[in-house]
Amino acid sequence: EAGVAQSPRYKIIEKRQSVAFWCNPISGHATLYWYQQILGQGPKLLIQFQNNGVVDDSQLPKDRFSAERLKGVDSTLKIQPAKLEDSAVYLCASSFLGLAATGELFFGEGSRLTVL
Amino acid sequence: GQNIDQPTEMTATEGAIVQINCTYQTSGFNGLFWYQQHAGEAPTFLSYNVLDGLEEKGRFSSFLSRSKGYSYLLLKELQMKDSASYLCAAKAAGNKLTFGGGTRVLVKP
Repeated sequence: EAGVAQSPRYKIIEKRQSVAFWCNPISGHATLYWYQQILGQGPKLLIQFQNNGVVDDSQLPKDRFSAERLKGVDSTLKIQPAKLEDSAVYLCASSFLGLAATGELFFGEGSRLTVL
Repeated sequence: GQNIDQPTEMTATEGAIVQINCTYQTSGFNGLFWYQQHAGEAPTFLSYNVLDGLEEKGRFSSFLSRSKGYSYLLLKELQMKDSASYLCAAKAAGNKLTFGGGTRVLVKP
């Protein structure tokens, strides 16, 4: 079974530029998450989708961050304009919510963003 | 609201036992996950507790007390490869997971 795919793995941009990250979840996983992980900290939830609807985006800085999940499969996270404090690893995860399922999250390898 | 607390760092010797504590205050709590994360890698699932008690899985065990808002991860017979960060995550309604800051465990020979 293929895992969660993310791209690009690494991205270096200057502040005020824009960047987009892509995620393809595990087939059949209806729930998709974007987390931001700053070095030395735990992952912080940015947005959670259930199919193509947003479940929680309370911690997404909506003035600069946007995310979509068209057709309920792939997702894109965009930052425009980027700030220095956006330097982090952006983790995409997916989960399956069936009867007796734990709801375990499966993570992609992450996209490491450096803003100069 | 959500609040997850765990120690920042722990050091232990190869072959020893280490216990990582986690306290949580989570609205609508319905489960507790532990994940392992090696430097530069994605988190990987270790354990899940939804009922009170101890779950044992090889060298790793996890305990949950819902009434106390407390969990721990026990790592036995430590190996050098266990050097990693260990993330406690509380699950709430809608499968929303909130992570703690992680505990970095350093295993020394």
